[in-house]
Amino acid sequence: QQQVKQSPQSLIVQKGGISIINCAYENTAFDYFPWYQQFPGKGPALLIAIRPDVSEKKEGRFTISFNKSAKQFSLHIMDSQPGDSATYFCAASNPAGNKLTFGGGTRVLVKP
Amino acid sequence: DTAVSQTPKYLVTQMGNDKSIKCEQNLGHDTMYWYKQDSKKFLKIMFSYNNKELIINETVPNRFSPKSPDKAHLNLHINSLELGDSAVYFCASSQFAGTAYNEQFFGPGTRLTVL
Repeated sequence: QQQVKQSPQSLIVQKGGISIINCAYENTAFDYFPWYQQFPGKGPALLIAIRPDVSEKKEGRFTISFNKSAKQFSLHIMDSQPGDSATYFCAASNPAGNKLTFGGGTRVLVKP
Repeated sequence: DTAVSQTPKYLVTQMGNDKSIKCEQNLGHDTMYWYKQDSKKFLKIMFSYNNKELIINETVPNRFSPKSPDKAHLNLHINSLELGDSAVYFCASSQFAGTAYNEQFFGPGTRLTVL
C-alpha cells in the first residue's frame, strides 16, 4: 500500500500564480517531511523540509503547511515561474533517518 | 565538484545479462542508498547502507546485490536482468544516520533499459 499519497499528479499554472500540492501519510512514526524537486534527466534535490512539531515553514516563494492531526502536509509555490517547472515529490522519513518514503510525484508546468 | 556520481549514465542490455552500476560520493557521508524510479516516476528505496553495513533491504529480489567496499562507494550488481528491471536507478547519500533530520543528496541517475 502507498504510505504517502500525493495529489494532483500534474498541474498547469500561469506565471505568477500559486501552485499547491497535497500529501497525506498513514504512518504516525514518520518524523521528517521533506519535499524534493526533480528536473528532467536529473536526480531529485531537496527543496524544503519540515519537522512534525512545526505547522508552517517558509523559504522564499516555497511554503510547507503541516497538519499533524490530519496527517497531511502541502507545498505552496507562490509567484510561480517557468523555471519552477519540474516534478515535485513529497516524502516522509522514519525516525532513524535511513528510509525515505516518497509520494507519487506531481509534474508542475508553469506557462509564461 | 560532483557530490554523488554514478556510472554509467545509460545502460542498454539484453534480458538475462548481468550488469553493475557504480556510485561514489565525495561528501564524507556515512549513509548511502539505492532508489529505483519506474516509468511512472514513482521513486522507491531499495537499499540503505551505513558505514558499509546494510541496514535497509526493501524486499528487493536477490538478483540485486549491493556492495559497499568503503563508505564512499556503493555499487549495485544485477543478475539475470528482466524486462521489469528497466528503470532509472538513483544513488544517494546523507550525513547522519540515527536522526530523521538529514538531507539526502542524489546522484544523476542511471537509466537501465532491458531489451
